[in-house]
Amino acid sequence: SSQLTQDPPVSVALGQTVTLTCQGAILRYFSANWYLQRPGQAPVHVMSPKNNRPSGIPDRFSGSDSGTTATLTITGARADDEGDYYCNSRDSSGRHPRWVFGGGTKVTVL
Amino acid sequence: QVQLVQSEAEVKEPGASVRVSCKASGYTFTDNYDINWVRQATGHGLEWMGWMNPNTGNTGYADKFEDRVTMTRDISISTAYMELRNLQSEDTAVYYCARGRFDPWGQGTLVTVSS
Repeated sequence: SSQLTQDPPVSVALGQTVTLTCQGAILRYFSANWYLQRPGQAPVHVMSPKNNRPSGIPDRFSGSDSGTTATLTITGARADDEGDYYCNSRDSSGRHPRWVFGGGTKVTVL
Repeated sequence: QVQLVQSEAEVKEPGASVRVSCKASGYTFTDNYDINWVRQATGHGLEWMGWMNPNTGNTGYADKFEDRVTMTRDISISTAYMELRNLQSEDTAVYYCARGRFDPWGQGTLVTVSS
């Protein structure tokens, strides 16, 4: 079945840079979106395909795609960037379009 | 601003059904944005359940839920619904609705299945 694989938990020092990856065969056909879920909150959309940031998302977030891998980079991490990051993408292989989420990466800002 | 407001927490017994609502505001409900439903068990990741097109009523469900989920809408009150039947303890989770490419999300509805 289609799946997206994300990194194990990572930590980043305040002000430093961290890059998260999302891998899966379906990314050849549809680019990834990224979401941040802070503890106890609903997820927030932080990155669209082609490095497009939703309104209100700061430019320290950037994204890229290459083949079967998508990356999200946080440059100059802040305390409120801490949380679980999820990627997702569309999967058109079934009877109807569906969405697939990665397992998430926990980011701790030290 | 675009907002999705979900119904309150529910406690259900095994074998029962639950219906969660998701009221949209700040945009035209029948614009070209699906409503997706996603659930998250405590300590686990996000699990996509299905989509519903508010304009046409068309739906698409994840294979796992195909036989016991129904997603509907009431256009007159800009509200989407997700009904899950034959609940079991493993269905205990927070259920979210989200517009289009999952932006924005509702605040989540905790559904607890317990005897």
